[in-house]
Amino acid sequence: NAGVTQTPKFQVLKTGQSMTLQCAQDMNHNSMYWYRQDPGMGLRLIYYSASEGTTDKGEVPNGYNVSRLNKREFSLRLESAAPSQTSVYFCASSEVKETQYFGPGTRLLVL
Amino acid sequence: GESVGLHLPTLSVQEGDNSIINCAYSNSASDYFIWYKQESGKGPQFIIDIRSNMDKRQGQRVTVLLNKTVKHLSLQIAATQPGDSAVYFCAESFIFGKGTRLHILP
Repeated sequence: NAGVTQTPKFQVLKTGQSMTLQCAQDMNHNSMYWYRQDPGMGLRLIYYSASEGTTDKGEVPNGYNVSRLNKREFSLRLESAAPSQTSVYFCASSEVKETQYFGPGTRLLVL
Repeated sequence: GESVGLHLPTLSVQEGDNSIINCAYSNSASDYFIWYKQESGKGPQFIIDIRSNMDKRQGQRVTVLLNKTVKHLSLQIAATQPGDSAVYFCAESFIFGKGTRLHILP
């Protein structure tokens, strides 16, 4: 039982490059989330998926897209990376209105 | 819009003393609150939660108090230990406060 896993752990991109952050959970949760964490800003919700087949924007969705591939997997895509997207990205899963379980994070540096 | 906020960005506590971390929220309809602990280089980890039909909930060395009248909740950590050093977040669903960094003084 691995909980929430994220890949990669660390990534360096050049401005304009694209990449996909992968997330998977093995707890059979319906809801999954993507957050970014910047110094002094706490966690801000980018996108979430309340259930398989649905996705919704969070507080800071611009520059990102998501795909809920199946119940286990929820990916985050940066189509054209910008330095402002340098951050630590966390994926989480939960049941509705319940505690979220977080992955270890992906540290992204955009040059 | 809705917001969840913490009163202090940092808190220093002597080892063995009790720690109290405070949080305020804006949405009076909020009905579920969670406290998370985040250690350096890791993702947030669940500590304790409370629903709006309760005023107090206790765990192992931790207590959460909820005051719905003033929209305030607090996390109390008893007999603070070095391993309690971390950033603590309160959250209402997926809205997080900015966190309080707890420093433990020897």
